[in-house]
Amino acid sequence: RKEVEQDPGPFNVPEGATVAFNCTYSNSASQSFFWYRQDCRKEPKLLMSVYSSGNEDGRFTAQLNRASQYISLLIRDSKLSDSATYLCVVRLSGYSTLTFGKGTMLLVSP
Amino acid sequence: DVKVTQSSRYLVKRTGEKVFLECVQDMDHENMFWYRQDPGLGLRLIYFSYDVKMKEKGDIPEGYSVSREKKERFSLILESASTNQTSMYLCASSPSDGDQETQYFGPGTRLLVL
Repeated sequence: RKEVEQDPGPFNVPEGATVAFNCTYSNSASQSFFWYRQDCRKEPKLLMSVYSSGNEDGRFTAQLNRASQYISLLIRDSKLSDSATYLCVVRLSGYSTLTFGKGTMLLVSP
Repeated sequence: DVKVTQSSRYLVKRTGEKVFLECVQDMDHENMFWYRQDPGLGLRLIYFSYDVKMKEKGDIPEGYSVSREKKERFSLILESASTNQTSMYLCASSPSDGDQETQYFGPGTRLLVL
């Protein structure tokens, strides 16, 4: 079983749409959770951390369900500039290494 | 702003050559990492280091070695490059400051081994 699983997509949505990405992780000792964004041929960059209580940053909302070992990212009012690959990332407690999902590609069209 | 730099954006080498990939970070981070990223396989950890002269194997260390002589610099070495090492190589660094520590990536080096 893969440690961090994501739907690879691509998700094709029109501008203004709301889109949700899901991610599951297999190790219950996972302690920290993140969403990274990677533009085509660029490096991954941190989009947001994911907290147990859920958190929001503008049009982006992240949720964590520890019981189901499930993380989500919701993007409202999609922009063309949101087109990218979104990586789900987890870290085990006490470790500095991160485990990356393979990413979900989002394509926002006019 | 955290800055992680890598010595080359693109590199072309021949099979059997020794290849050095350099990474430098300017934020005094303790941890540094080397990944490779391939289509369909995602990011895979090669080696990491949590202190000067310390190194730990990641998930795919075979065919690679690393060096960390100074805190800000982490080098990846391909002793004898092979075609299956053609890939995008990404360096990252992170502080050791608890649960929310996250990694900052360099721009990557696209290596082609002929």
